[in-house]
Amino acid sequence: RKEVEQDPGPFNVPEGATVAFNCTYSNSASQSFFWYRQDCRKEPKLLMSVYSSGNEDGRFTAQLNRASQYISLLIRDSKLSDSATYLCVVNSDRGSTLGRLYFGRGTQLTVWP
Amino acid sequence: DVKVTQSSRYLVKRTGEKVFLECVQDMDHENMFWYRQDPGLGLRLIYFSYDVKMKEKGDIPEGYSVSREKKERFSLILESASTNQTSMYLCASRERQGATHEQYFGPGTRLTVT
Repeated sequence: RKEVEQDPGPFNVPEGATVAFNCTYSNSASQSFFWYRQDCRKEPKLLMSVYSSGNEDGRFTAQLNRASQYISLLIRDSKLSDSATYLCVVNSDRGSTLGRLYFGRGTQLTVWP
Repeated sequence: DVKVTQSSRYLVKRTGEKVFLECVQDMDHENMFWYRQDPGLGLRLIYFSYDVKMKEKGDIPEGYSVSREKKERFSLILESASTNQTSMYLCASRERQGATHEQYFGPGTRLTVT
């Protein structure tokens, strides 16, 4: 079973739409969670960390459900510039792999005018 | 500003050649990583290192080796390149202490093995 599973999409939405991405993780002991963004032909970059209480950064809201081992990202009022691949990421806290991040395969989003 | 640099953006090598991919980070990070990224497969970890001269196998280490002689530099070596190693290779670094620290990626090396 993969450490992090997410729907690859693609999601195609019009400008102004609200879109949500979900992912699940398998290690119940995981402590840190992130969303990374990867533009076409570029390297991944941190979009936001995900905190237990949920957190918001402008149009982006991240939620964590530890009981269900589920992470979500909500994008409101989508912009053309939001078109990218969104990677769900979980930190490992196990022994020698301490500090290793586990990446989902990514969800592709295209926002059209 | 954290910077992770990789020695080449594009590389073309022949089957059987020995290939060196170099990565340098300037933020004194303990952890460094090598990934490959292929369409539909996402990022796959090849090797990582949490200190000088230390290395750990990732999920797909076969056909690769690594070297970390200095803290800022992490090299990926393809001992005898094969066509199935054609891929985008991404290096990354991260602080070890503090699980919430961001992982920074280099711009990637697109390797083609013919």
